[in-house]
Amino acid sequence: EVQLVESGGGLVQPGGSLRLSCAASGFPFSRDWLHWVRQAPGKGPVWVSRITHDHRIHYADSVKGRFTVSRDNAKNTLYLQMNSLRAEDTAVYYCTREYYEIWDWGQGTLVTVSS
Amino acid sequence: EIVLTQSPGTLSLSPGERAILSCRASQSVSSNYFAWYQQKPGQAPRLLIYGASSRATGIPDRFSGSGSGTDFTLSISRLEPEDFAVYYCQQYGSSPPVTFGGGTKVEIK
Repeated sequence: EVQLVESGGGLVQPGGSLRLSCAASGFPFSRDWLHWVRQAPGKGPVWVSRITHDHRIHYADSVKGRFTVSRDNAKNTLYLQMNSLRAEDTAVYYCTREYYEIWDWGQGTLVTVSS
Repeated sequence: EIVLTQSPGTLSLSPGERAILSCRASQSVSSNYFAWYQQKPGQAPRLLIYGASSRATGIPDRFSGSGSGTDFTLSISRLEPEDFAVYYCQQYGSSPPVTFGGGTKVEIK
């Protein structure tokens, strides 16, 4: 069974930093493409970042230069380093994996940016 | 960036009725990389349909997807009480970026 478990969310002040982690199991982690998707309260999902199996990386324009995605295939873990956080970054952050046409999602971790 | 526009914003129906949800793309989307999700409060999105028309594992056959190019449809043949939720479409064929629609809420009339 595919499992994706996010952690690292919390309350942070504007301008602060957080590092999210996503522990994966139940599939060949190093093979698959992984994404971060976020969802602000009451809004639809918004794609944030993707890292492919061979470490090609893409970001949404809204986070480019502030967020850094990485993966540790030895630890089956995906990361999202978030710097210079803004109020508009407040959202539930989901770790997802893409295997052909199938996307699996974690349960998400809440990030709140507020003073 | 491909913009996905879902309609209607809210659908008010009774259990047992048929629901038809629409998703229109601003440019042509590969059907292979088009999906529908269901989301309930406090839960992650749940994959219903992938490849525009294939049901994900465990999804009842009352859910069906169709369409191609710029127009896609999710149909729910007979609404069950557990089907009242928010539904999102997604495309990822031209990613990045991956994009999602704004959602359709199916509520009990």
